[in-house]
Amino acid sequence: DAGVTQSPTHLIKTRGQQVTLRCSPKSGHDTVSWYQQALGQGPQFIFQYYEEEERQRGNFPDRFSGHQFPNYSSELNVNALLLGDSALYLCASSQEHSTNEQFFGPGTRLTVL
Amino acid sequence: GQQVMQIPQYQHVQEGEDFTTYCNSSTTLSNIQWYKQRPGGHPVFLIQLVKSGEVKKQKRLTFQFGEAKKNSSLHITATQTTDVGTYFCAGPDSGGYQKVTFGTGTKLQVIP
Repeated sequence: DAGVTQSPTHLIKTRGQQVTLRCSPKSGHDTVSWYQQALGQGPQFIFQYYEEEERQRGNFPDRFSGHQFPNYSSELNVNALLLGDSALYLCASSQEHSTNEQFFGPGTRLTVL
Repeated sequence: GQQVMQIPQYQHVQEGEDFTTYCNSSTTLSNIQWYKQRPGGHPVFLIQLVKSGEVKKQKRLTFQFGEAKKNSSLHITATQTTDVGTYFCAGPDSGGYQKVTFGTGTKLQVIP
């Protein structure tokens, strides 16, 4: 039983570019949340997807957008990259009717130059 | 918005010593979760507490949820080098349980 998987592992982009990160949830999970974790800080909630819709959003600009597919996998898109977007992007999956326990993927390390 | 603070920010202990991290939320929480993140790794769920005053144990780890459901603590007895990492508490946003706010974290270093 595979856990949460994310791709790519590492990514280097330049300012102004766009990036797409991908996440496959743990088997049996239908809810995907995305977090940004800057170095030395705790994960910051970006948004959550359930039934292919964005359910709640943290304090992130519209440059951050996402999508969930019928198979529950998800993408995070970031447009017009800024240096400050450099971080570890974590995907977490859970079951809608669970006790909120989240399983995190290994993350994608994004570096913006 | 909701803020979740943890103290201390860093803790260095000799192997075998005890360790405690404290978590304080600006709002009442419906539940509190604890995660551990090893260096270079991702957060791993440890436990969830729901009831006021609840205490749960996992081997050498003791978790407590405050009576007012605004604070929590994690205590590790007789630390081992495998305990090294950053410990985060996390709680659902008062505006909707889907958004989870993570604490600032406590980084634990265990000296052999």
